[in-house]
Amino acid sequence: GAVVSQHPSRVICKSGTSVKIECRSLDFQATTMFWYRQFPKQSLMLMATSNEGSKATYEQGVEKDKFLINHASLTLSTLTVTSAHPEDSSFYICSAVPGTTGNQETQYFGPGTRLLVL
Amino acid sequence: GNSVTQMEGPVTLSEEAFLTINCTYTATGYPSLFWYVQYPGEGLQLLLKATKADDKGSNKGFEATYRKETTSFHLEKGSVQVSDSAVYFCALSPSGTYKYIFGTGTRLKVLA
Repeated sequence: GAVVSQHPSRVICKSGTSVKIECRSLDFQATTMFWYRQFPKQSLMLMATSNEGSKATYEQGVEKDKFLINHASLTLSTLTVTSAHPEDSSFYICSAVPGTTGNQETQYFGPGTRLLVL
Repeated sequence: GNSVTQMEGPVTLSEEAFLTINCTYTATGYPSLFWYVQYPGEGLQLLLKATKADDKGSNKGFEATYRKETTSFHLEKGSVQVSDSAVYFCALSPSGTYKYIFGTGTRLKVLA
């Protein structure tokens, strides 16, 4: 149980285009999902908290107009990197917290999406 | 503030050696503590967790004990295998939140 998927697993795009990454909880509902960015050989940096039915909460220094997050259902959150540039190339990982009552804390992570902007 | 400090890697061991990866934390209140493992090219997998002082989390031969007096959550395994080669992340979740604060990760390489 507690499986989280991401799609696509890898994407290459041209500079200036937008890329959408999907994060799905396959066998549970998740009111809360998180989006992280991981640089090579470094830890995960929390970008934003995605809440179903409401606006995402962004961490300091993360541009909300650059990284659009939509959490339209209890099993799906999307991250759209708008007008991507080479410096946006990274490994993007999502996670989900099971439950709708807000009392569970273990995050289950997706396999990640590697974005390369040319 | 909240923070997690892990020992720097890489850690290179021979198969069947004993493993310790140190993790200490700074937090207010009573956080939950986690170890996650990341295999090459993959996302993070929960390895074990502990939610209160003196709890011991264990899984797949790995274990870690929540030590409040030393603010530590060291990961141990008695006999490592080549398949344990991965990056290990220590994390804490402050009480009352879902957010994680991750350590920088420790790369483990096990040689046959």
